[in-house]
Amino acid sequence: DQQVKQNSPSLSVQEGRISILNCDYTNSMFDYFLWYKKYPAEGPTFLISISSIKDKNEDGRFTVFLNKSAKHLSLHIVPSQPGDSAVYFCAARGQETSGSRLTFGEGTQLTVNP
Amino acid sequence: KAGVTQTPRYLIKTRGQQVTLSCSPISGHRSVSWYQQTPGQGLQFLFEYFSETQRNKGNFPGRFSGRQFSNSRSEMNVSTLELGDSALYLCASSLQGVRYNEQFFGPGTRLTVL
Repeated sequence: DQQVKQNSPSLSVQEGRISILNCDYTNSMFDYFLWYKKYPAEGPTFLISISSIKDKNEDGRFTVFLNKSAKHLSLHIVPSQPGDSAVYFCAARGQETSGSRLTFGEGTQLTVNP
Repeated sequence: KAGVTQTPRYLIKTRGQQVTLSCSPISGHRSVSWYQQTPGQGLQFLFEYFSETQRNKGNFPGRFSGRQFSNSRSEMNVSTLELGDSALYLCASSLQGVRYNEQFFGPGTRLTVL
């Protein structure tokens, strides 16, 4: 049972344009969501997060939107840069979970073309 | 401050063998989590240790085990290796396991089972 799903395995955009990565979840107990970026041969790096009491969080070029009724979140990158090319993982944490356990999606490979 | 380190970085084993992977968290971090990453599956949670105690466990068979030492360093062990255990094993550390705090990932150990 995949509780966090990223339905697009890959996304290709032009430099300077907007990249939109999507993530859907099924578990209504999730109350905190994170995005991680991963380059080959490196571990995932934290990008941005959002609590379920908010519907938007912004950090520089990165904005995460949360639609609780649709159980959907998205990551917007504006403007996209070639250095943003990486695999992006959406992750979620449940209210009932103590500690640091995260449930991850399958990842989306973003390619930003110069 | 040094990041999360994992050793070894690459490992090749044959079916039926056992393997031990090591993780040193960021100094001061007491929570260590382990994840398995396979193509198309995202990151699957294995277990979390906090103050030398296993706090959370994912849905993996008993062949997967772990422990944490008093200095917060952690090891995971996989016994009777199977071909399907070939994966990238990632370790993540965080401060005291308080909810909402960020996890920092190591570069991973790439395990290949032949």
